[in-house]
Parts: sequence; structure tokens; C-alpha cells
Amino acid sequence: QKEVEQNSGPLSVPEGAIASLNCTYSDRGSQSFFWYRQYSGKSPELIMFIYSNGDKEDGRFTAQLNKASQYVSLLIRDSQPSDSATYLCAVKGGSSNTGKLIFGQGTTLQVKP
Amino acid sequence: EPEVTQTPSHQVTQMGQEVILRCVPISNHLYFYWYRQILGQKVEFLVSFYNNEISEKSEIFDDQFSVERPDGSNFTLKIRSTKLEDSAMYFCASRYSSGGGHEQYFGPGTRLTVT
Repeated sequence: QKEVEQNSGPLSVPEGAIASLNCTYSDRGSQSFFWYRQYSGKSPELIMFIYSNGDKEDGRFTAQLNKASQYVSLLIRDSQPSDSATYLCAVKGGSSNTGKLIFGQGTTLQVKP
Repeated sequence: EPEVTQTPSHQVTQMGQEVILRCVPISNHLYFYWYRQILGQKVEFLVSFYNNEISEKSEIFDDQFSVERPDGSNFTLKIRSTKLEDSAMYFCASRYSSGGGHEQYFGPGTRLTVT
């Protein structure tokens, strides 16, 4: 069973701090990795994607991928209360040509003013 | 900015009834998906659809489920005989193409409540 694992949290950080969210995956053939933000009762919103080893930065967000260790992480700099949400890690299965995403259970982030 | 839309936002139905959930994917997207999320659980893949046919389906997507693209814009999920355990949020997603970007964009979801 191909899985994506996240610490469910909650992860609590003060406003202005760096939030670090981690995700591991079991399918070594996976090639595409995504971070979605999900507010309570809402749908997943794509915030970052990364396909190559290393770091990818977009504004306050940095995604990091290490395929050898099978982990992907998301850093949120200068965290704001509006960043409080559940962050979902999703992986495109290596054997899937259809783009099927496998999701982790999500990490709940709380940013305290 | 283009977005995926879904209707209705909330559907209440009785066990054994048929429901149709509707989605309008982003207009130039080619791949379409249905996912569901039972309250407090992971988002789960149900089915993918490309070139007017199912390209992959999960174990959840049994004979009571079907999908259709009846015209050039709508994408529907039908549940023939709903069960209590079908109560969940159902999300439609779409992506542009297989060459390059694999990013999927989700609609706002339909909350299905089976009583």
C-alpha cells in the first residue's frame, strides 16, 4: 500500500516565526509532490508543487524535496494567523499515468498572534 | 482566474436514492478527477477521466458509482444507490495535460449527507 505520512499536529507557532511541515512517502518511484492548504470545511487549495530534488521558493513558502530519503517538506516564513489551516501533502503515484494523487492525513498549523 | 465549480454545495438524500454531483472543470483542462473526504479523514482518490473514458479508478469506485462528461463542460459523478457510508465531501479536480504540469485544481466540493 503506497502511503503518504504526515504528523497530524497541531503544530503551533507564534506569529512571524517559521513553520516547518514534513511529509514522508513510501513509493520510491514517485516524481511529483504537492502541498495543499485546506481551511476547515473548504476544499484543498494548491500552494506549492515540486518535481526535482532541492528547494523551490514562492513568496513566503519553500518546498524541499529529498527523493533519496523520501521526504518532502514545506517551510512557511513569517507565519501569519491567516496561515492557520491544515496542510496536505500529496504525491503523484510513480506507477500512475493518470495523475492520481495520494494524500497524507494533513498537519494542522496554528499561528498564534 | 479560471476555477473549478461544483453543484450543489450540499446534497441531502435518503439511503438507497440516486444522486448526481456536478462539476465544471477549468475550460482548457483535459484530465478530470473525483476525490472524496469523509469527515476527519484523508482525501481519497475515486476516479480519473481522460479522453471521454475512465483512466483509473480506486477500490472505492465500485459498480454503484459512474462518471460522465455529457457535454463539453460538465463532468458528473453518479451514485446509484446511496449508503450511509457515502456521506462525505466530494471534490472534483482538473489538470491541464500530461506533458509537464501535473498540478490539480480542486473545486469547492459537494457535501453529501445520506440519511
